[in-house]
Amino acid sequence: GESVGLHLPTLSVQEGDNSIINCAYSNSASDYFIWYKQESGKGPQFIIDIRSNMDKRQGQRVTVLLNKTVKHLSLQIAATQPGDSAVYFCAALSSGSARQLTFGSGTQLTVLP
Amino acid sequence: EPEVTQTPSHQVTQMGQEVILRCVPISNHLYFYWYRQILGQKVEFLVSFYNNEISEKSEIFDDQFSVERPDGSNFTLKIRSTKLEDSAMYFCASGGDRGEQFFGPGTRLTVL
Repeated sequence: GESVGLHLPTLSVQEGDNSIINCAYSNSASDYFIWYKQESGKGPQFIIDIRSNMDKRQGQRVTVLLNKTVKHLSLQIAATQPGDSAVYFCAALSSGSARQLTFGSGTQLTVLP
Repeated sequence: EPEVTQTPSHQVTQMGQEVILRCVPISNHLYFYWYRQILGQKVEFLVSFYNNEISEKSEIFDDQFSVERPDGSNFTLKIRSTKLEDSAMYFCASGGDRGEQFFGPGTRLTVL
């Protein structure tokens, strides 16, 4: 099966700096990945996704990078703001699985003033 | 922007009682899911539902659990006889063909 893990359980950054949150996955058959943001007491909020036929995808202030060789992906947040403080999860979908997302354990991002 | 909605936001029940958690997925989505998150732990997959039937379920989704799409808008999760260890946040999600999944705000289930 798939297992997904994040490299750091917590990350603190200064407001205005860039944040990088890393994630590793184990199943080379995983071909679709989603980054979610979860604020306290709320559901996971879809941020950005990427398919395995891409190395990079950009959204508004966010970039996801995928390295299939080492089974690693990262989420970069530009000019981090206080509202970015939350837990960030990566989730993976395997091509052999109908629709089951496997979640990582999450990184708590704290933005310092 | 369309959202997944869930009711109730918090459900307290006695052990052994039945609960029904309700979800209204995003209207043009065809795939529906339930996940749960025990406090402080990862989000865990329970079940996926497509074309009016279960397409995949996890080991957690045993005979005590069932899902139903009773009409064109609602998607429900029923737990027949709740156990203490069923206490968790339950998230409904919906999505399209790409595999994307959008989550609702969750129902906090507390079993006493």
